[in-house]
Amino acid sequence: EVQLVESGGGLVQPGGSLRLSCAASGFTFSSYSMNWVRQAPGKGLEWVSYISSSSSTIYYADSVKGRFTISRDNAKNSLYLQMNSLRDEDTAVYYCARDRAVLIWGQGTTVTVSS
Amino acid sequence: DIQMTQSPSSLSASVGDRVTITCRASQGISNYLAWYQQKPGKVPKLLIYAASTLQSGVPSRFSGSGSGTDFTLTISSLQPEDVATYYCQKYNSAPQFGQGTKVEIK
Repeated sequence: EVQLVESGGGLVQPGGSLRLSCAASGFTFSSYSMNWVRQAPGKGLEWVSYISSSSSTIYYADSVKGRFTISRDNAKNSLYLQMNSLRDEDTAVYYCARDRAVLIWGQGTTVTVSS
Repeated sequence: DIQMTQSPSSLSASVGDRVTITCRASQGISNYLAWYQQKPGKVPKLLIYAASTLQSGVPSRFSGSGSGTDFTLTISSLQPEDVATYYCQKYNSAPQFGQGTKVEIK
C-alpha cells in the first residue's frame, strides 16, 4: 500500500524549532519529487516547500523562506522539514505530499505555535 | 512569483446544476494545472491534472479546460456528494494553490 506518514508535530513557543518527518512506503521514494503543504485552521491549502527526487531542485514559499529547510534521505525513504524561528501564523496541519500534481497525501501532523 | 486567483470564493447551486469555477494565473503556466476537491476533515483529492486530464476513478461529471493563464473546472450536474472546497494548483516551477472555492447545495 502506498503510504505517507508524518510525525514530529506538537506545541512549540514562538521563536522555537521543530523538525517534521515523513516516512514513505509502498513506492520507489527516490523516483518522486515531494512537497510539504500546510493548512491553518479554517483556512485554505498553502504550499510550503518542494524538493525534487534527487534534491537538486528546492523551492520555498515566501512565507517560510529563510526559516524552513526541506531535505530528504532516499536511503531511508524519508522526507524532512526543519522549521526554525516559528511564528503564530505557522500553526497548521502539515501534510507530506508526493509529486507535482499530488495524488498521494499523508494524514498530516499538527503544529501549534503558541506561548 | 506567479499568483493563482480563483473565483468565486463560494457558490450555492441546486442539485443537477452545471457549476463552473475559474482559476487565473498571473503569468502563463502552459497546462501545468491541477484541481483538487477537499471535504471537511479529509485530505485533498486530485480530480484533474494537466489542466484537462481526469484522474482515474473521478466521476465524468468533472471536467477541466484551459491553457496559459485561464482555466476552468466544470461540474456538469452537481450532486450532493460534491459539496466541498475546490482548489486549483499550478505545478510548473514553484507550486502554488488558489484560495479555494466552497461549493454548497442550495
